[in-house]
Amino acid sequence: EAGVAQSPRYKIIEKRQSVAFWCNPISGHATLYWYQQILGQGPKLLIQFQNNGVVDDSQLPKDRFSAERLKGVDSTLKIQPAKLEDSAVYLCASSPATGANTGELFFGEGSRLTVL
Amino acid sequence: KNQVEQSPQSLIILEGKNCTLQCNYTVSPFSNLRWYKQDTGRGPVSLTIMTFSENTKSNGRYTATLDADTKQSSLHITASQLSDSASYICVVSADMTDKLIFGTGTRLQVFP
Repeated sequence: EAGVAQSPRYKIIEKRQSVAFWCNPISGHATLYWYQQILGQGPKLLIQFQNNGVVDDSQLPKDRFSAERLKGVDSTLKIQPAKLEDSAVYLCASSPATGANTGELFFGEGSRLTVL
Repeated sequence: KNQVEQSPQSLIILEGKNCTLQCNYTVSPFSNLRWYKQDTGRGPVSLTIMTFSENTKSNGRYTATLDADTKQSSLHITASQLSDSASYICVVSADMTDKLIFGTGTRLQVFP
């Protein structure tokens, strides 16, 4: 079974530039998550989708971050404009369940962003 | 406030030795507790998931325990191997909010 695919694995940009990350979850998984993991910290939830609807985006900095999952499968996370503090690993995870309480989460390898 | 605290922050052991990592949480009401292993530069991989009624769960050389009364969990690694070098993250699920609360992890280094 193919895992969660993310790209790019690494991205270096200058502040105020924009960047987009792509995630392809495990086939059939209804729920998709984007997490931000700053070095030395645990992952922080940015946004949770169930199919193509947003379940939780309370911690997404909406002035600069946006995410979509148009057809309930792939998802993209965009940052525009980037700030230095956005340097982090962006992890995508998917789950066959419709809620965090019941489902196992499968993580991708992450996209490491460095903002200079 | 729902929080998950892990200790120690980092740990160095010799290959073949055992070690125990700790996780304390204040999440309430509790749904389940998970341990993940995260290799450097990789995404987290699930080791165990325990619900309120489970005290112990094993996955190979990894054994997790849960004391829901004291809100503590531990992850015991037996006969450590070099490949055990990783960060171990404790994650607690809050029943009412359906949110996952992540600890900051314990960084384990196993030396030959």
